[in-house]
Amino acid sequence: RKEVEQDPGPFNVPEGATVAFNCTYSNSASQSFFWYRQDCRKEPKLLMSVYSSGNEDGRFTAQLNRASQYISLLIRDSKLSDSATYLCVVNRDDKIIFGKGTRLHILP
Amino acid sequence: DGGITQSPKYLFRKEGQNVTLSCEQNLNHDAMYWYRQDPGQGLRLIYYSQIVNDFQKGDIAEGYSVSREKKESFPLTVTSAQKNPTAFYLCASRGIYSGNTIYFGEGSWLTVV
Repeated sequence: RKEVEQDPGPFNVPEGATVAFNCTYSNSASQSFFWYRQDCRKEPKLLMSVYSSGNEDGRFTAQLNRASQYISLLIRDSKLSDSATYLCVVNRDDKIIFGKGTRLHILP
Repeated sequence: DGGITQSPKYLFRKEGQNVTLSCEQNLNHDAMYWYRQDPGQGLRLIYYSQIVNDFQKGDIAEGYSVSREKKESFPLTVTSAQKNPTAFYLCASRGIYSGNTIYFGEGSWLTVV
């Protein structure tokens, strides 16, 4: 079993819809959690950190459930510019572990 | 501006040649990383370094070598022993005072011809 798992997608979603991404991690000693966005042929860029209390940034909401070892990302009112691959990232000690990413296509 | 600079952005190499990819950061981060990404695939860790003059193998270190003589620099050499080196290479750094967030350079595209 991989340490960080995501649904690979692709998710094809009409503009304006709400999209939910899920991620599970297997090591309970994991310490920090992040969502990154990667556009085609570009480097990943930080979208948001994820906290147990949940956090929101505009249309984006991230949630962490340590008991279930589960991380989520919700995108509301999706835009064409949200099309990208979304990476779940987990930090444990000196290691950074990336999920394989979920591809999102927003359809006009 | 603070950030991570990778060079070259595009590189072509003949089979049997070694090539070195540069990575420089001015973020004062202690930890630096090299990842490889193949088309449609996730990131795989090649090497990482937590401190100057020390580095650790990642999941796919065979055929690669690194050095960390200065805090701001972490070059990666792709040797002729690497059987399938054509890929997108990403350098990253992380600082404990930046919330453990990892920051990436723009990447280097290596093609073996």
